[in-house]
Amino acid sequence: QQQVKQSPQSLIVQKGGISIINCAYENTAFDYFPWYQQFPGKGPALLIAIRPDVSEKKEGRFTISFNKSAKQFSLHIMDSQPGDSATYFCAASRVSSDYKLSFGAGTTVTVRA
Amino acid sequence: DTAVSQTPKYLVTQMGNDKSIKCEQNLGHDTMYWYKQDSKKFLKIMFSYNNKELIINETVPNRFSPKSPDKAHLNLHINSLELGDSAVYFCASTLSLASGESDTQYFGPGTRLTVL
Repeated sequence: QQQVKQSPQSLIVQKGGISIINCAYENTAFDYFPWYQQFPGKGPALLIAIRPDVSEKKEGRFTISFNKSAKQFSLHIMDSQPGDSATYFCAASRVSSDYKLSFGAGTTVTVRA
Repeated sequence: DTAVSQTPKYLVTQMGNDKSIKCEQNLGHDTMYWYKQDSKKFLKIMFSYNNKELIINETVPNRFSPKSPDKAHLNLHINSLELGDSAVYFCASTLSLASGESDTQYFGPGTRLTVL
């Protein structure tokens, strides 16, 4: 049973465009929502994370939007670059518990030059 | 310096064999994890150790046995390998559960296991 649902499965965006990936969760006990980026042949690496006490967090071209009432959060990649082509995973965990990360299914982003 | 390292990077073996994957972190972290990534890239946690103590044991066949000789190492031993065990296995570590703060999980480069 997947606790975090992620969409779309894949997306193609032109260089300079905006990539948007959406995630939804059911467990209201989750209190930490990271996004991981994975390049082919590499392990996932933390990109950006948010706690539910804020609705938005921005780091460079990457922004997380968080809607606690809807139990949804999304990643926006502004001014997408070919180097952003990777698989992106949303995740959720309970900081107060065991940090067990429940991952979404992943979104493969391809940025065309 | 590699923060989280795994050996081997590739492992090809026959069904029924027993194999081990080793993981080491030099970050001084207390907590380590094993994840399995299947062919559809889905990542699922298998085990977690905090300071050499098992704290997460998901529904994993008991052919899989983690071992933590010290808090910098977490190895994964797999007995009687099956075709369905073919996947990429990732080790990860995080600072400490005791901190009470959310913290980054640092992943190793992965071990691609192929069972023939």
